[in-house]
Amino acid sequence: GAGVSQSPRYKVAKRGQDVALRCDPISGHVSLFWYQQALGQGPEFLTYFQNEAQLDKSGLPSDRFFAERPEGSVSTLKIQRTQQEDSAVYLCASSSQGSSPLHFGNGTRLTVT
Amino acid sequence: KQEVTQIPAALSVPEGENLVLNCSFTDSAIYNLQWFRQDPGKGLTSLLLIQSSQREQTSGRLNASLDKSSGRSTLYIAASQPGDSATYLCAVPNSGAGSYQLTFGKGTKLSVIP
Repeated sequence: GAGVSQSPRYKVAKRGQDVALRCDPISGHVSLFWYQQALGQGPEFLTYFQNEAQLDKSGLPSDRFFAERPEGSVSTLKIQRTQQEDSAVYLCASSSQGSSPLHFGNGTRLTVT
Repeated sequence: KQEVTQIPAALSVPEGENLVLNCSFTDSAIYNLQWFRQDPGKGLTSLLLIQSSQREQTSGRLNASLDKSSGRSTLYIAASQPGDSATYLCAVPNSGAGSYQLTFGKGTKLSVIP
């Protein structure tokens, strides 16, 4: 079956623009995660969904970051008024349950100019 | 707060060599430890997941060991091939209620020279 799909693969935004990043998890996967990976670093946790419920958003860097998963499948990470420090790869991952092995998408590389 | 360190940051070996990648973590109260591979411009691929009750896991030419008491894990790659060239990351879940959150190391960038 298909893996985790993320779109777009690349996004260039001017400082101050809003962006929306999409994640299609593996069908039937209950848990969905967003991670942020800066260049040369390991991924850092942003937020966690179990079905449509956002159970943890403690990793979101600021209130400019917002994530949703309204029907418990597709998720969108939205960043308002982008800043240069938001430039990173945003990775989505899903699993059948919270502690199961994670399946990652290829990420969206966001560049804010 | 959990911290994960990977040594070395980069490694270059000739094809056919056996090699060991190291991972250490500060909080030994972990449920499991996971090793991932990341190719340039790609997401992460899970290689091995070791539960806290296990000491090692094997998959093909890969063997991962876990020593919770010392806060260490190693990934052993036998008979390395150019296709093994990638960045290898280890990750552990946070302890307690936030165990679904993974803390990653910065990775070891492996180059296998033909």
